[in-house]
Amino acid sequence: KQEVTQIPAALSVPEGENLVLNCSFTDSAIYNLQWFRQDPGKGLTSLLLIQSSQREQTSGRLNASLDKSSGRSTLYIAASQPGDSATYLCARGEAGNNRKLIWGLGTSLAVNP
Amino acid sequence: GAGVSQSPRYKVAKRGQDVALRCDPISGHVSLFWYQQALGQGPEFLTYFQNEAQLDKSGLPSDRFFAERPEGSVSTLKIQRTQQEDSAVYLCASRLSAVTGNTIYFGEGSWLTVV
Repeated sequence: KQEVTQIPAALSVPEGENLVLNCSFTDSAIYNLQWFRQDPGKGLTSLLLIQSSQREQTSGRLNASLDKSSGRSTLYIAASQPGDSATYLCARGEAGNNRKLIWGLGTSLAVNP
Repeated sequence: GAGVSQSPRYKVAKRGQDVALRCDPISGHVSLFWYQQALGQGPEFLTYFQNEAQLDKSGLPSDRFFAERPEGSVSTLKIQRTQQEDSAVYLCASRLSAVTGNTIYFGEGSWLTVV
């Protein structure tokens, strides 16, 4: 059972497009929702963290929203650039002492010049 | 250090061999996590430390996996009698405190291939 689902699995767009990556989760009792970026052969970089009490977070060209009632989060990337090419993973943080993360499989994004 | 450091970056082990993977978290970070990421998959939680205490080891797949953080800083993940299904990237992450809301920082991972 995949508790966190990401759609689409892969996406290829021309440079300059605005795009939306989707993340859905089965447990509405989340503590937080995080979006990460992973480049090939590299570790994970945290992009945005949304606490369960928040609706959205913004950083530069990135905006992430959270709708707990529907179990969904979206990552919006404005004016995409080739440097945005990477795998984007969402993870929900569990309540509890460790706040461990439950991950989706990621969306592989290619932005073509 | 400036970031989370993991070593070795790449390890090829023969089936049955024991391996040890090291993680140097960011100095002063209380929380430390180990995750396992198979090719094409998202990371899977293995274990969590708060300082030197291993508070959660529910994700360790078998008793061949053992992790320690004896002085509350450097951590080692040991895999005994490696098997092919252990091939994966092992990611270490640290967080400043036990309170969620602090950014979590990942190392670049230790890539293990068991042949």
